[in-house]
Amino acid sequence: GAGVSQTPSNKVTEKGKYVELRCDPISGHTALYWYRQSLGQGPEFLIYFQGTGAADDSGLPNDRFFAVRPEGSVSTLKIQRTERGDSAVYLCASSLRALAGRVQFFGPGTRLTVL
Amino acid sequence: KQEVTQIPAALSVPEGENLVLNCSFTDSAIYNLQWFRQDPGKGLTSLLLIQSSQREQTSGRLNASLDKSSGRSTLYIAASQPGDSATYLCAVTPEAGGTSYGKLTFGQGTILTVHP
Repeated sequence: GAGVSQTPSNKVTEKGKYVELRCDPISGHTALYWYRQSLGQGPEFLIYFQGTGAADDSGLPNDRFFAVRPEGSVSTLKIQRTERGDSAVYLCASSLRALAGRVQFFGPGTRLTVL
Repeated sequence: KQEVTQIPAALSVPEGENLVLNCSFTDSAIYNLQWFRQDPGKGLTSLLLIQSSQREQTSGRLNASLDKSSGRSTLYIAASQPGDSATYLCAVTPEAGGTSYGKLTFGQGTILTVHP
């Protein structure tokens, strides 16, 4: 597609459940980023990939969060034992390479609601 | 740890007015600064990117300035229009040299409403 796509657009789950959020980056973009945006706040960095490997996962809040990008394209953010505090919009972005100065193109986000 | 602050949190202006949005950051060791626009339910769109060696960038009615040493940036919007209504976010990229240079640190945003 022409831009970054994320599925689902909305996800409602119950506390304690497992969820997966998917990101399809722009074709040819080797760098992929995940951010989390809580209501009224700016996005906060979670993790980024250069190719298949996680180059920096320092933003993941705890070990319930995990992300993969097995073939260097699509990425999945996985959240185990969801908590109400995980409710937020999860944004994905991609760029040609993970270099400073490369513009990151953002997807529309997945709104996660944990009841 | 880098912290980015935006003032004001919200702004409401009549159509046609010129306006200024402010962004400040605590660590001046940045590679660049970007201004984004976010519409409800949509992703972020990059408006302007200023390299740390630059003082300003212009695109149409938008002008962004950067004073790296004092940790400040402003986004100037001329002749505002109702279509400019959105949340505006600034974000900084740390200086190159480490593994973190790809990630952005965002401010909390300014919600702009331009009424006819």
